[in-house]
Amino acid sequence: DQQVKQNSPSLSVQEGRISILNCDYTNSMFDYFLWYKKYPAEGPTFLISISSIKDKNEDGRFTVFLNKSAKHLSLHIVPSQPGDSAVYFCAASPGGSQGNLIFGKGTKLSVKP
Amino acid sequence: DTAVSQTPKYLVTQMGNDKSIKCEQNLGHDTMYWYKQDSKKFLKIMFSYNNKELIINETVPNRFSPKSPDKAHLNLHINSLELGDSAVYFCASSQGEGQYGYTFGSGTRLTVV
Repeated sequence: DQQVKQNSPSLSVQEGRISILNCDYTNSMFDYFLWYKKYPAEGPTFLISISSIKDKNEDGRFTVFLNKSAKHLSLHIVPSQPGDSAVYFCAASPGGSQGNLIFGKGTKLSVKP
Repeated sequence: DTAVSQTPKYLVTQMGNDKSIKCEQNLGHDTMYWYKQDSKKFLKIMFSYNNKELIINETVPNRFSPKSPDKAHLNLHINSLELGDSAVYFCASSQGEGQYGYTFGSGTRLTVV
């Protein structure tokens, strides 16, 4: 049973345009959401996060939006750069004292020059 | 200077063998994790240790035994390897329980033949 879903396995955008990666979740107890970026043969690296008490968090070219009523979050990258090409994982935490993260399957982003 | 290092990076072994994967972090983090990324690309928690004590033990066969000699190390020993154990195993660490900024190692690709 997937609690965190990334329904688009891949996304291709032109350099300079906006990339929008989507993530849906089923567990209303999730209280913290994160995005990780992964290059081939490397481990995931933390990108940006958002608490469930917020609906937006911005860090440079990266913005995460959270819609709790729809149980949906999205990552916007503007402007997209070729170096952004990677697999992006959405992750959620069920809260409490445990830091266990539940990951989605990932979306492979390709930014074309 | 690698923050979370795993060895080996690649491991090819025969069914029935016993193997270990080592993980070390130099970040001074209190909590360490093992995640498995299977052929379907899901990243799933296997174990979590906080200050050398087991916190999370997901539904993992008891052929998998984590060992934490100190809070900077979390090794994974696997007995009687099976074909289905083939996957990429990621070690990660965070500052403590409930702390969500994981730092991942680069992964160990285990292939059982």
